[in-house]
Amino acid sequence: QSVLTQPPSVSAAPGQKVTISCSGSSSNIGNNYVSWYQQLPGTAPKLLIYENNKRPSGIPDRFSGSKSGTSATLGITGLQTGDEADYYCGTWDSSLSALFGGGTKLTVL
Amino acid sequence: EVQLLESGGGLVQPGGSLRLSCAASGFTFSSYALSWVRQAPGKGLEWVSAISGSGGSTYYADSVKGRFTISRDNSKNTLYLQMNSLRAEDTAVYYCAKTTYYYGSGSYVNFDYWGQGTLVTVSS
Repeated sequence: QSVLTQPPSVSAAPGQKVTISCSGSSSNIGNNYVSWYQQLPGTAPKLLIYENNKRPSGIPDRFSGSKSGTSATLGITGLQTGDEADYYCGTWDSSLSALFGGGTKLTVL
Repeated sequence: EVQLLESGGGLVQPGGSLRLSCAASGFTFSSYALSWVRQAPGKGLEWVSAISGSGGSTYYADSVKGRFTISRDNSKNTLYLQMNSLRAEDTAVYYCAKTTYYYGSGSYVNFDYWGQGTLVTVSS
C-alpha cells in the first residue's frame, strides 16, 4: 500500500474535466513539491507536472496541478480518448526517499 | 534529444545477482542525478534508488537497501544498478530516469526523462 493515496480509477466523457487527488502527510506532500506522471498503455511514464503546478515544454495547458496542505490535485480539461492512461503523483519524503502514489487509471468514456 | 537505454535484464534465480546498465545521451551526463524506478507486472511505480551527478550521494528505498548498489561512470555516460540477493518480489520492469532534485526546505524530485525499461524476472 502506497504512502501517497490516489483513487484507483476515475472516468469522464470526452470534452469534460476530471480531477485526480493525491493525499499524503506532513512528512511528504505537506512540506515538499509534487510532480505528476502520465503512463500510456505499454509505454514508459512521462513527466506532466512538476513543482506542484509547472508544465514541462510540450505539455498542453489542458493539464494543471495544484497543492493544498497535505494533498495535491491533477486536473485535465477537454478530455480526449488519447488521455486514457495511468496517472501517478510523486514527491520526496523526509526519510530521503522518493515516493509515488498508487496510480489512477483514467477512462474516457 | 535525451535518450536513456537500459540493458541487462533477464531471468535469474532467487538469491542470484544481476547488473543493469543505462546508457545516456543528449545531455551533460555528469550534471544530472539519475534514478532507477521499477514497476512490477500490473502494479504501480516504485522508486528504487538515486545517485547525484558526481556519484558522491546515493539514496535507496528501504526495500532494496543493503542488496542493491547504484553507481555511475561519467566517462562512459552510463548508470548501473548492481542487484544482489534477488527475491521474487524484485520482479519488475526497471526504468532509468534522468532526475532533478533538491533536498532542504521545499524539497522536490522530478523524473523528467525515462528510458523504455528492462524486464527483470526472479524465478526458479
